[in-house]
Amino acid sequence: EVQLLESGGGLVQPGGSQRLSCAASGFTFSNHVMSWVRQAPGKGLEWVSTISGSGGGTYYADSVKGRFTISRDNSKSTLSLHMNSLRADDTAVYYCAKEPSLDGSGTYYENNWFDPWGQGTLVTVSS
Amino acid sequence: QSVLTQPPSVSGAPGQRVTISCTGSSSNIGAGYDVHWYQQFPGTAPKLLIYGNINRPSGVPDRFSGSNSGTSASLAITGLQAEDEADYYCQSYDNSLSGSRVFGGGTKLTVL
Repeated sequence: EVQLLESGGGLVQPGGSQRLSCAASGFTFSNHVMSWVRQAPGKGLEWVSTISGSGGGTYYADSVKGRFTISRDNSKSTLSLHMNSLRADDTAVYYCAKEPSLDGSGTYYENNWFDPWGQGTLVTVSS
Repeated sequence: QSVLTQPPSVSGAPGQRVTISCTGSSSNIGAGYDVHWYQQFPGTAPKLLIYGNINRPSGVPDRFSGSNSGTSASLAITGLQAEDEADYYCQSYDNSLSGSRVFGGGTKLTVL
């Protein structure tokens, strides 16, 4: 069974940093593109960042570009999101999500979807 | 402001059919990129409902179906049940934004 377990959320001051982790199991981690998606309280879903299976390709929403860094450790089946210069509007539940591997290569494809999602971890940016 | 536009809410009585629209543009749905749909219950993570415009993952009832045409996509739910009351989101790719997956703003389905 595929499992994604996020951790690292909590209360952080504006301008501060936070690191989120997502522990994956139940599938060959390196074969899959992985993403972070967030949801502000009472709001809709917002794509944050995506990383290819090898880690060589990274993609960011304009709202986080230059402040967030996505990375992965395939030897530990772990996805990470380093968040710097946090702002109040970064307050959200952050979900990690697995993307399909149609050819087992971990290649980024535009038409990918998210399945499954982790349970999410809440990041609150407030003084 | 979401790149994909969904109605904030829809409603229907048990047994009825409802549709949820997802309107995009020539840089996303209109460019031929696939549309995917997710269902989310309060306090839980989203769950994939439809992928690749029309495909249902195993376990998703055939009461749920997807379609698209031009710059829009739709999710149809037939034989509406009380347990279908949830938030629904569409998702696609936009080639005007580097590497960007995009979501609709979400639609709250109320079963009357």
